[in-house]
Formats: sequence, structure tokens, C-alpha cells
Amino acid sequence: NAGVTQTPKFQVLKTGQSMTLQCAQDMNHEYMSWYRQDPGMGLRLIHYSVGAGITDQGEVPNGYNVSRSTTEDFPLRLLSAAPSQTSVYFCASSYRMDRNEQFFGPGTRLTVL
Amino acid sequence: AQKVTQAQTEISVVEKEDVTLDCVYETRDTTYYLFWYKQPPSGELVFLIRRNSFDEQNEISGRYSWNFQKSTSSFNFTITASQVVDSAVYFCALWGRNQGGKLIFGQGTELSVKP
Repeated sequence: NAGVTQTPKFQVLKTGQSMTLQCAQDMNHEYMSWYRQDPGMGLRLIHYSVGAGITDQGEVPNGYNVSRSTTEDFPLRLLSAAPSQTSVYFCASSYRMDRNEQFFGPGTRLTVL
Repeated sequence: AQKVTQAQTEISVVEKEDVTLDCVYETRDTTYYLFWYKQPPSGELVFLIRRNSFDEQNEISGRYSWNFQKSTSSFNFTITASQVVDSAVYFCALWGRNQGGKLIFGQGTELSVKP
């Protein structure tokens, strides 16, 4: 199993550009989520999904969109990048949220100029 | 609302010292899970432990131990005889049954173990 994969690993955008961060898992996990990590603020939940076709907002959803058309993929879209979205983004998945730990991807370091 | 507080932003110890990382949580759920994750300098997040709200037994795994106390809403993590390889950022996290799928993390504690 590849586990949780994220692409790209690094990205630089200009303000106003849009892009999609890719996340995929091959463990048949129902639960997937996106976090951003900023210095001194820990990991903050952006969006999450409890299964294909079901998504919901986390703590900091503004400026981001998600969709979950398959169990395996959970892309995160930045609609119009802003410098405040400069961060490290982690995707995670788990079989069940309550009984199982989350497996995290390696992260995407995004810089918005 | 759920909240996790890790009041210690940074801790520095000398190798072989014992160190305790504090985690205090808030939730209105009676069924919830608490987690600890480790983030070494390489950046990946590594799962350490999961504890549910009905199991207050302390747990020991090698040099690691966890003290869960519902009375004080705390889930503290102790490393005995710390080693340089323990240097990392440690995160405490909370999932509450009635919070949907939201796993809430604390701000993290950066542990530096010096030789």
C-alpha cells in the first residue's frame, strides 16, 4: 500500500491564482480530511469527508473547496490564492474516525506571493 | 465546542531527563477519543496513542506513558529517560462523538532534547 499520497510537495503561487492539491489513499478509508499547519497554531481542520459524496466544513474552510467523488481521492481547491493561505497542508485518512488513528500524507508546502 | 490546549509551547531538556507534556481538553461529549501524534523534524505525523473516554487506565509503552484524568480533563504524556531522537513537535488531539468528523488538535509542544 502507498498509504496517503499528496501532490505536489511544494508549490509557489501568485495572489489570485487557483490550484488543486491532490490527495489519494489506497486503504479504502471512509474518512478523509485536510489540515493546514501554521507556526504556533497546530493543525487546523479545513474540510473533511465521512464518505464518497459527503463533505463538511472544519474550523477554517473559507477560501477552500473540496469534493469527494470516489473513496480514494479528496482534492482541495484554492479558489483565489491569498498570502494568508501560505502554509503546510496535510491530508489524512482513517477507516473510522473514532476507533482508528488517522494516517497522514507527507504534506504540501504552499507559498503564496 | 471542543478545544485542546497545550500550554507548553517549547520544552528543552538534557538527555536522560524525564519530561511531561501537558494536554488539557474541553468537550461536552460523554463519548470522545484523545490522541497523541509526534512530528519529527522530517515533518511527517506519527500516531502514538488513542484513548477513549471510558478508559481511564494509564498506559505505558516503553519509555512513553500517558496519564488520562477525566476529573481534570487532562491527557498528559511523559517520556522517561529522554533521548535526542525524541526531539519533535508533539500534538494532542480530541474527537467527540457529537462533533461530526472533526478532530481538533492542540497547538503542539516542541520538545528539544539536548545531548
